[in-house]
Amino acid sequence: RKEVEQDPGPFNVPEGATVAFNCTYSNSASQSFFWYRQDCRKEPKLLMSVYSSGNEDGRFTAQLNRASQYISLLIRDSKLSDSATYLCVVKVSGGYNKLIFGAGTRLAVHP
Amino acid sequence: GAGVSQSPSNKVTEKGKDVELRCDPISGHTALYWYRQSLGQGLEFLIYFQGNSAPDKSGLPSDRFSAERTGGSVSTLTIQRTQQEDSAVYLCASSSPPTSGSSYNEQFFGPGTRLTVL
Repeated sequence: RKEVEQDPGPFNVPEGATVAFNCTYSNSASQSFFWYRQDCRKEPKLLMSVYSSGNEDGRFTAQLNRASQYISLLIRDSKLSDSATYLCVVKVSGGYNKLIFGAGTRLAVHP
Repeated sequence: GAGVSQSPSNKVTEKGKDVELRCDPISGHTALYWYRQSLGQGLEFLIYFQGNSAPDKSGLPSDRFSAERTGGSVSTLTIQRTQQEDSAVYLCASSSPPTSGSSYNEQFFGPGTRLTVL
């Protein structure tokens, strides 16, 4: 079983739609959680951290459920420019910045 | 300011040849990471350097893979006797060191080196 699992998609949605991605992680000692965005043939970039209380950044909302070991990302009012692969990322406790990446969920927003 | 840079951007080699991939981290970042991303897969951790500490090599897939970081800055990832399954994008990232086990300092990624082994 992979440490971080995501639905690979693709999610094909029209502009203006609301779309949600889910992610599960297996290591209960996981400590910090993030969503990264990766455009085609580009490097990953941090989109947002995920906090236990849930957090919002503009059209993006992230949620964490530690009991279920589940993370989500909600995108409202999708834009064409949101088309990318969204990577669920987990930092395990202790040590350093060791990150475990999910394989990503691909989003395609069409006109 | 300048981000993480990697060279070459693309490398095509023949099976059995050795390759060297280079990473220049962001100035002042003491932590450096190498990852591998195969087609349609997530990033796979390879190795981590922090200052003068012994590197964490736990992610290196075989003894054909090695990495160095000289002078605490530039790093080189070497793959000996390349195999077709080594074909992937090799990504380097750097960050400030974490101040505690629970903190996180953002990793900034370079554009990667796309390696193709024929």
